Amino acid sequence: KAGVTQTPRYLIKTRGQQVTLSCSPISGHRSVSWYQQTPGQGLQFLFEYFSETQRNKGNFPGRFSGRQFSNSRSEMNVSTLELGDSALYLCASSLEGHDTDTQYFGPGTRLTVL
Amino acid sequence: AQSVTQPDIHITVSEGASLELRCNYSYGATPYLFWYVQSPGQGLQLLLKYFSGDTLVQGIKGFEAEFKRSQSSFNLRKPSVHWSDAAEYFCAVGAGGGGNKLTFGTGTQLKVEL
Repeated sequence: KAGVTQTPRYLIKTRGQQVTLSCSPISGHRSVSWYQQTPGQGLQFLFEYFSETQRNKGNFPGRFSGRQFSNSRSEMNVSTLELGDSALYLCASSLEGHDTDTQYFGPGTRLTVL
Repeated sequence: AQSVTQPDIHITVSEGASLELRCNYSYGATPYLFWYVQSPGQGLQLLLKYFSGDTLVQGIKGFEAEFKRSQSSFNLRKPSVHWSDAAEYFCAVGAGGGGNKLTFGTGTQLKVEL
């Protein structure tokens, strides 16, 4: 079974632009979570989607948004990019998003904001 | 709110030596605890998890962890480290209540000397 895939793997943007990142979960997984990883703040939870609905949200500004499609694929969008948004964005999928479900992580999208 | 502390930012061990990575958590109820490993340029891979039952948990790659409620700890151990174990290790706690939201520690970078 294929793992979690994220596209693109690397992205360079300039301040003020917006960006969309994509995540394809493992087949059959219905929950998709997004995390931001930076050297200063570490790994931080952004949001989780299940059945096309945002079920959990972390403490990030409204510039960070996401959505999930009927096939469980998910996208996250960051508008009005800031230098501090430079990070590795990780997507994780799990079967149903229960606390006991294992989350499987993708390789991440490395976003650089200039 | 839950939190995770990994007191050691860097650890260096010799190949073949034993390893213990420390993790302390703060959570009001019975925690859902995880250890993940991240190699350079990769996403996170689950090593093991604890939800309930036997407090000594076996994981992949020869790792184990012991849950100690009285000490609020979930330390990761390996009896004999291999050079390929060099990576960053993250302890995480689940939020409970569904939604797969994980709170991560700051990570411990493991270096293995040959």
